[in-house]
Amino acid sequence: DAKTTQPTSMDCAEGRAANLPCNHSTISGNEYVYWYRQIHSQGPQYIIHGLKNNETNEMASLIITEDRKSSTLILPHATLRDTAVYYCIVRVEGAGGTSYGKLTFGQGTILTVHP
Amino acid sequence: DGGITQSPKYLFRKEGQNVTLSCEQNLNHDAMYWYRQDPGQGLRLIYYSQIVNDFQKGDIAEGYSVSREKKESFPLTVTSAQKNPTAFYLCASSANVPSDTEAFFGQGTRLTVV
Repeated sequence: DAKTTQPTSMDCAEGRAANLPCNHSTISGNEYVYWYRQIHSQGPQYIIHGLKNNETNEMASLIITEDRKSSTLILPHATLRDTAVYYCIVRVEGAGGTSYGKLTFGQGTILTVHP
Repeated sequence: DGGITQSPKYLFRKEGQNVTLSCEQNLNHDAMYWYRQDPGQGLRLIYYSQIVNDFQKGDIAEGYSVSREKKESFPLTVTSAQKNPTAFYLCASSANVPSDTEAFFGQGTRLTVV
């Protein structure tokens, strides 16, 4: 799986959008971009994933550049409860069944949302 | 409610003792996983199982053992051969279908060996 690079930490004001970047310059054509987050002392939580099109769900939006070498996770209106470590992960997927929970975690970005 | 249950939340053991961490899921997922997390670090894969009665080593399997006798359960034994067992252990599960690729994690067990 391709390696990802994320900033170590970021700050965001409550109510503002949080934009978390991820660089994955060696991503292959069949690798998806996943985002998980981990609130302190809890298990990680899935946020969103995508291949090449932008994706949006009730939690966040994922913007993937046209060359797929980087992406940005957007939390549109950050709250204090969004303070967590955010992990950007790329993984190969294919037909025939695969272990979707077999993930390679880096150190992630510590997002601190302040009042 | 469907989910993954890890127990206990905190566990203390003396050095040299084996200890088994419990992980149960009622999501009907075929695949289950064990991860280890050290302070300030990301998660590292210990073992995973794609189906009952089958499992594979992850990146840091030495000093650990698992079994998968039931679909719902994937216990992890930390043996005395594990040199640095104190850590936060996380269990996860996932369906093995392309239409459902989200992994679900438990709340973790914090193991302290003294």
